[in-house]
Amino acid sequence: GAGVSQSPRYKVAKRGQDVALRCDPISGHVSLFWYQQALGQGPEFLTYFQNEAQLDKSGLPSDRFFAERPEGSVSTLKIQRTQQEDSAVYLCASSIGDRLYGGYTFGSGTRLTVV
Amino acid sequence: KQEVTQIPAALSVPEGENLVLNCSFTDSAIYNLQWFRQDPGKGLTSLLLIQSSQREQTSGRLNASLDKSSGRSTLYIAASQPGDSATYLCAVREYSGGGADGLTFGKGTHLIIQP
Repeated sequence: GAGVSQSPRYKVAKRGQDVALRCDPISGHVSLFWYQQALGQGPEFLTYFQNEAQLDKSGLPSDRFFAERPEGSVSTLKIQRTQQEDSAVYLCASSIGDRLYGGYTFGSGTRLTVV
Repeated sequence: KQEVTQIPAALSVPEGENLVLNCSFTDSAIYNLQWFRQDPGKGLTSLLLIQSSQREQTSGRLNASLDKSSGRSTLYIAASQPGDSATYLCAVREYSGGGADGLTFGKGTHLIIQP
């Protein structure tokens, strides 16, 4: 597609529920990043993929967070047993090249509200 | 750990004014710096990307400068318009050598242009 597509746009989850957030990067983009943006804050890095390889997951806040990109295109961010502090906008970004050079294209994000 | 600070946090000016948004970062060993725009409920739109070897980039009414040695960047907006109202985010990309390196964002400057 022409841009990075994320779904769903909005998700309301009850505390303790598992959620899955999807990211469709721009076709052919090698690098894919997930970010978490709390209200009034800048986005914070969660994890990075180069093709299907997850090269860094140091930003994932707990072991309840899991991300995958099995075929090097679509990625899913899964949050198990959601907590209220997980409420945020989750942004996906992709880049045509490796992590060092290219600019990023961001999706519109998924706004997760845990009640 | 890299820290990115944006000043001011919020700015409201009448349309037509020229204005400057400031960004500072603590570790000058960056690979590039990027300015983004974020509209309410939306993802991030890349405005300008400055590689570490560059001093400035221009796009239309926007001009971004980079002084890597002093850890500073400015975004200059000429002849501001109400449509420029948004949150402007500055982000630096580092070469960490080892793992992946996402972007480190500031908290943004919330800009309102009064008609």
